[in-house]
Amino acid sequence: AQKITQTQPGMFVQEKEAVTLDCTYDTSDPSYGLFWYKQPSSGEMIFLIYQGSYDQQNATEGRYSLNFQKARKSANLVISASQLGDSAMYFCAMATGANNLFFGTGTRLTVIP
Amino acid sequence: DAMVIQNPRYQVTQFGKPVTLSCSQTLNHNVMYWYQQKSSQAPKLLFHYYDKDFNNEADTPDNFQSRRPNTSFCFLDIRSPGLGDAAMYLCATSRGERGGQETQYFGPGTRLLVL
Repeated sequence: AQKITQTQPGMFVQEKEAVTLDCTYDTSDPSYGLFWYKQPSSGEMIFLIYQGSYDQQNATEGRYSLNFQKARKSANLVISASQLGDSAMYFCAMATGANNLFFGTGTRLTVIP
Repeated sequence: DAMVIQNPRYQVTQFGKPVTLSCSQTLNHNVMYWYQQKSSQAPKLLFHYYDKDFNNEADTPDNFQSRRPNTSFCFLDIRSPGLGDAAMYLCATSRGERGGQETQYFGPGTRLLVL
C-alpha cells in the first residue's frame, strides 16, 4: 500500500528566508513519481514540482527544489526566498502506475512580513 | 491559455436534491479525474476516466456518478446529496502517457454546500 506522511501541520517562515517542508513516503513499487502541490485559500491545486523515482538529480523549478533522498524515502520541498504569496497549504503526493495520486495531509505555510 | 475549468465555483443544493458539477479542459488530455476534498483534509479520488474507460474507486459511494460525453467535458452527478457530501470537488486532467506517474492539472474547484 502507498502512504504519504507530512508531519508538520503548520510552519512559519520569515519573508525572504528559506523553508523546508517535510514529506516521507512508503511504497513497494520500484517506479513512482513524487509531486508537490500548493493550494491557496481559493482552493485551486497548483502543481509545483515533480521527481521521478529513477531521476538521479534533485528536481528544481525556480524557487522550488525537491530534496529527494531515496534510501530514507523522503521528498522534502525547499522554498527559497519566501514571499507573502507563498502562504498556502502544501501537499506532497505520490503516484505509482494506476492513475491514482495519493496525497499527504498537507502543511499550512504562513509567511511573516 | 490551456486550462481546466470548473463551473460553478460555488453550488448550493438541498438535502436529497440531485446536483451536477461540470468540468471542461482545453488541454486535450486523455485522463480526467474527480476528487472530493473535505475541510482540512487531503483530496480523495472518487473516479477517473481514461479516455472513455470509467474507473471507479472501491470506496466511492454509489450516490456519486460521472459522465464523460467527449474528450473536453466531464460531469460529476450526486444523486441524493447528504450533509456529509458538502466539500470542495476538484477536477483534474493528465495526458495519460506515462502509465499513471504523470502530473495532474487541477481546476479551481467547486465548493458544494448542502442545506
